[in-house]
Amino acid sequence: DAGVIQSPRHEVTEMGQEVTLRCKLISGHNSLFWYRQTMMRGLELLIYFNNNVPIDDSGMPEDRFSAKMPNASFSTLKIQPSEPRDSAVYFCASSFAGTQNNNQPQHFGDGTRLSIL
Amino acid sequence: AQSVAQPEDQVNVAEGNPLTVKCTYSVSGNPYLFWYVQYPNRGLQFLLKYITGDNLVKGSYGFEAEFNKSQTSFHLKKPSALVSDSALYFCAVRDPGRGYSTLTFGKGTMLLVSP
Repeated sequence: DAGVIQSPRHEVTEMGQEVTLRCKLISGHNSLFWYRQTMMRGLELLIYFNNNVPIDDSGMPEDRFSAKMPNASFSTLKIQPSEPRDSAVYFCASSFAGTQNNNQPQHFGDGTRLSIL
Repeated sequence: AQSVAQPEDQVNVAEGNPLTVKCTYSVSGNPYLFWYVQYPNRGLQFLLKYITGDNLVKGSYGFEAEFNKSQTSFHLKKPSALVSDSALYFCAVRDPGRGYSTLTFGKGTMLLVSP
């Protein structure tokens, strides 16, 4: 079975440019999570969707960050304009959450390593 | 609020010896607990979970974890370490009473297994 697929795996761009990270969920999953990982701050939850609806975006650093789920299997995380401090590894993860079943693990993609020069 | 503590930044063990990676948690109710492993340049991989029932949970790659409610701990263990077990390990907790599916992760423990 295909896991969570993220693209690109690596992105290097200059500050001020728009960056779009992409994520394809595992088929049948209805929850989507975007995380950011850095040495200094560890793993941070940015935003969480359930059934395509954003549930908790309190971790989104600022208005430069936005995330969407245009359909049930795909999500994007956009940074505009990008800044050097946004350099990190960005992960998305998916899981299945039902009304009676909230104990399923999250499955992670292999991440996008983002470098803003 | 739910939280997780992994008190050790790094654990060193010789190949063939038993290993333990520690985790303690804090939630308002009965927790769902998870362990993940991260290899270099990879995403987190699910190892095992505790939901209810038997306090000893067995998972992938020979790992197991013991849930201890009185000590609010969920330590990861393996009887005989392999060099290939060297990786970053994360403990995570979910409070099922919150109704959301978000996990709170610890900061991670680097496991180094020497030949």
